[in-house]
Amino acid sequence: EIVLTQSPATLSLSPGERATLSCRASQSVSSYLAWYQQKPGQAPRLLIYDASNRATGIPARFSGSGSGTDFTLTISSLEPEDFAVYYCQQRSNWPQITFGGGTKVEIK
Amino acid sequence: EVQLVESGGGLVKPGGSLRLSCAASGFTFSSYSMNWVRQAPGKGLEWVSSISSSSSYIYYADSVKGRFTISRDNAKNSLYLQMNSLRAEDTAVYYCARGGPTVTTLVAWYFDLWGRGTLVTVSS
Repeated sequence: EIVLTQSPATLSLSPGERATLSCRASQSVSSYLAWYQQKPGQAPRLLIYDASNRATGIPARFSGSGSGTDFTLTISSLEPEDFAVYYCQQRSNWPQITFGGGTKVEIK
Repeated sequence: EVQLVESGGGLVKPGGSLRLSCAASGFTFSSYSMNWVRQAPGKGLEWVSSISSSSSYIYYADSVKGRFTISRDNAKNSLYLQMNSLRAEDTAVYYCARGGPTVTTLVAWYFDLWGRGTLVTVSS
């Protein structure tokens, strides 16, 4: 099983600041990594797939980068609606799909 | 409106059974692979099972293999999860999720559309 480790567990930032979230895989997943956003009481939403492709309707302030074992989700300037939990997910080792433990982005 | 709506959750005793349903609308259901993903209370996401558009390919997480059965009815735009021999550790919100974002006859392993989920509680 490929383990995805997300850091930090919690990120405290103010609106307008830049957010940088990390996801590290226990072995190479090539570029087969996605990022999801989940708000309290809501279903997750796909933000980024294949490491750097924005999903339909996702604002340009969200960007993804990385390959192999190290990946980053960047939110260039936090909007109030961006405060949420973010998960990474790999599909390299299908069907053993795994998710990271999540990073909570909270208002400072 | 493009949406997925789950139903069938509830309280069940350990060892019991439950059948979840997911009704799809607003898109060509028969073209997409479909999935179940769960989230235990206060925890992260766990992939449960996937099925290809024509039901030719079916996969399960090791934690549910032999106990859960995924199926679909493309004529009814519906996805199902039959859960048997339920355990306390199966307690979670179960989400129905569409495979995407590309359409494939195999299984698409990202999840680009999610329902709101249905809560399954396994407790005596």
